[in-house]
Amino acid sequence: GESVGLHLPTLSVQEGDNSIINCAYSNSASDYFIWYKQESGKGPQFIIDIRSNMDKRQGQRVTVLLNKTVKHLSLQIAATQPGDSAVYFCAEKETSYGKLTFGQGTILTVHP
Amino acid sequence: DAGITQSPRHKVTETGTPVTLRCHQTENHRYMYWYRQDPGHGLRLIHYSYGVKDTDKGEVSDGYSVSRSKTEDFLLTLESATSSQTSVYFCAISGSPGGRGTSDYEQYFGPGTRLTVT
Repeated sequence: GESVGLHLPTLSVQEGDNSIINCAYSNSASDYFIWYKQESGKGPQFIIDIRSNMDKRQGQRVTVLLNKTVKHLSLQIAATQPGDSAVYFCAEKETSYGKLTFGQGTILTVHP
Repeated sequence: DAGITQSPRHKVTETGTPVTLRCHQTENHRYMYWYRQDPGHGLRLIHYSYGVKDTDKGEVSDGYSVSRSKTEDFLLTLESATSSQTSVYFCAISGSPGGRGTSDYEQYFGPGTRLTVT
C-alpha cells in the first residue's frame, strides 16, 4: 500500500543552527499532512500541519513546506535548541475522515 | 495533552492471557484510535472509533478487539496475548471537542502503554 518515508534517519546539528527534516510521500491523493515530535518515553506531540492546497505554513520557530510536484514534505526548525532533540514523524491523511499513515521517523540530535 | 490518559502505563503479562488497555479522554472528542509502535515499523493503526459503538479495523487488527460504550472511553483488548504483541500502545483522539465538527484532522496522543508479553 501507500506509505510515507523519510530520506534521513538521523540528523545531528549544533545548537542555534537551523534544521531541516525531510519526508517523501507516495499517495498523490493525500490532502493533509502533519509533523509530530516524539521525545523518549512520551507520546507523539503535534507540531504543525498543512493542507494540500498550501505550499508553506509557519508556526513558532517551525515551517512546513509542501511540494506536491515531487511529493515532498519538509520541516524546518529555526535556531534549533537542545530541547528540540527528539524523533520527528511526518504523517499523511488519505481518507475523508482522518486516518493517518506515519513515516518511520528521523532522529534529531542537537549538540550544545 | 488534550485530556488523554492511558491505563495501565506498564504491564507484563504471560502468553495466552487476555489483556485490556484503557484510553480515557475528558474533552468529548468524536474520534479515537489505537496504535502500536515498534522499531522499524513506526506507528501502525490497530482499530479506530468514529463514535459510541462505532468502530472499524486498522491495518494491524488481527488479535485485537475494541469497544467504545461511551464517548470518553476506548478499550483495546488482546484476546489471547502473544509475544508478537509486545509493543508500546498509543491512544489518540481527533475531532472538535464536543463533536461540533469533523474537520479537525490533527490527532493528539496519549502517553502510551508499554506492554510486555512473556
